[in-house]
Amino acid sequence: DGGITQSPKYLFRKEGQNVTLSCEQNLNHDAMYWYRQDPGQGLRLIYYSQIVNDFQKGDIAEGYSVSREKKESFPLTVTSAQKNPTAFYLCASSMAHRPSGYTFGSGTRLTVV
Amino acid sequence: KQEVTQIPAALSVPEGENLVLNCSFTDSAIYNLQWFRQDPGKGLTSLLLIQSSQREQTSGRLNASLDKSSGRSTLYIAASQPGDSATYLCAVKEETSGSRLTFGEGTQLTVNP
Repeated sequence: DGGITQSPKYLFRKEGQNVTLSCEQNLNHDAMYWYRQDPGQGLRLIYYSQIVNDFQKGDIAEGYSVSREKKESFPLTVTSAQKNPTAFYLCASSMAHRPSGYTFGSGTRLTVV
Repeated sequence: KQEVTQIPAALSVPEGENLVLNCSFTDSAIYNLQWFRQDPGKGLTSLLLIQSSQREQTSGRLNASLDKSSGRSTLYIAASQPGDSATYLCAVKEETSGSRLTFGEGTQLTVNP
């Protein structure tokens, strides 16, 4: 079955560490997205990529980095510069043509310890 | 900047009741509107996708309408069941800004047996 796989499901980060969240899709979608979800704030866009080797900042990109070396993969690195990284992170994908909907992964919960 | 508002923020109903969730958006320049369901600690599941040229979409007990000119959408759930308990999110895909999705903060629905 086609879908989006996020791993790990739970991740713990120590102060000052960088951590990388994985997102893989086998839907042959062109575009991929990373959102952060905090209680009471809804989903906010971190980064998105509409094509391989290209990506754009979203609304809250500071302290995060991404790469898009393959169409199927869009990993997110939470760097030590992100001061409040504890959140639920969701990856999504869609076809590049405008009318398509989004498909989401099951999320990664990141906690700073 | 696009803003999406969902009313009410929370709703508790007895089993069997028909109910309506509301979503409004400030910029009518959208490609489509998508309704999602989110269970606690889980990712988003797409329920219905309405293109900007459409007035409504139906899937089983769910019916979503779209009035693009007035910036409103409703999600109608018929004969609610305890299994419908979840948070419902609406999101609009903008014509500008790289086809990004802008989300409302959701309506938390509880259906009591």
